[in-house]
Amino acid sequence: DVKVTQSSRYLVKRTGEKVFLECVQDMDHENMFWYRQDPGLGLRLIYFSYDVKMKEKGDIPEGYSVSREKKERFSLILESASTNQTSMYLCASSFGVRGQPQHFGDGTRLSIL
Amino acid sequence: AQTVTQSQPEMSVQEAETVTLSCTYDTSESDYYLFWYKQPPSRQMILVIRQEAYKQQNATENRFSVNFQKAAKSFSLKISDSQLGDAAMYFCAYRSADPAPLGALRFGAGTRLTVKP
Repeated sequence: DVKVTQSSRYLVKRTGEKVFLECVQDMDHENMFWYRQDPGLGLRLIYFSYDVKMKEKGDIPEGYSVSREKKERFSLILESASTNQTSMYLCASSFGVRGQPQHFGDGTRLSIL
Repeated sequence: AQTVTQSQPEMSVQEAETVTLSCTYDTSESDYYLFWYKQPPSRQMILVIRQEAYKQQNATENRFSVNFQKAAKSFSLKISDSQLGDAAMYFCAYRSADPAPLGALRFGAGTRLTVKP
């Protein structure tokens, strides 16, 4: 089974802090994604990566950055956390072949105080 | 940009009965993929079923089946013989066959399904 592991299930940080959310997958997937999940809005794409050191903006990249130094690891960075970034964050990965489904981690519920 | 609409924020079904969750989408593309994901309280997003737009045959996975109407841009999920373990948030998702953005999904807002014993 594919395993996508997010480093924390719950995280509480303060406004202005730099926050790192880590995601690791064990299936040698080329593609990795970060989504944000909010009630009534579903999941929205923040950033994605299709190869090491490659990244592309999704629909809501403002206030976020990402890092992919190794194929299995994709980090989401909140440069200066704000209260409107309180949300559930989901990481996903997939093979770089058309039609392949994405596999998701368990999510990190992040609260910014 | 493609949009996905789930018009039922909440649905309920009696155990052992059948329920249908609705999903519509808007796209100008002819080649794409559609998915239903399930998110139980444990938060793990689980793929339920996948449909390829160029296949006319509706996808089926055990008790789960879809009604894919390409011209109407409709993609509903039917759950037969509902079980307590089916209670979850269900998301409809669209993915372009175009490589960019490669593999990214567009999600609907979700439908929360309650199963009554």
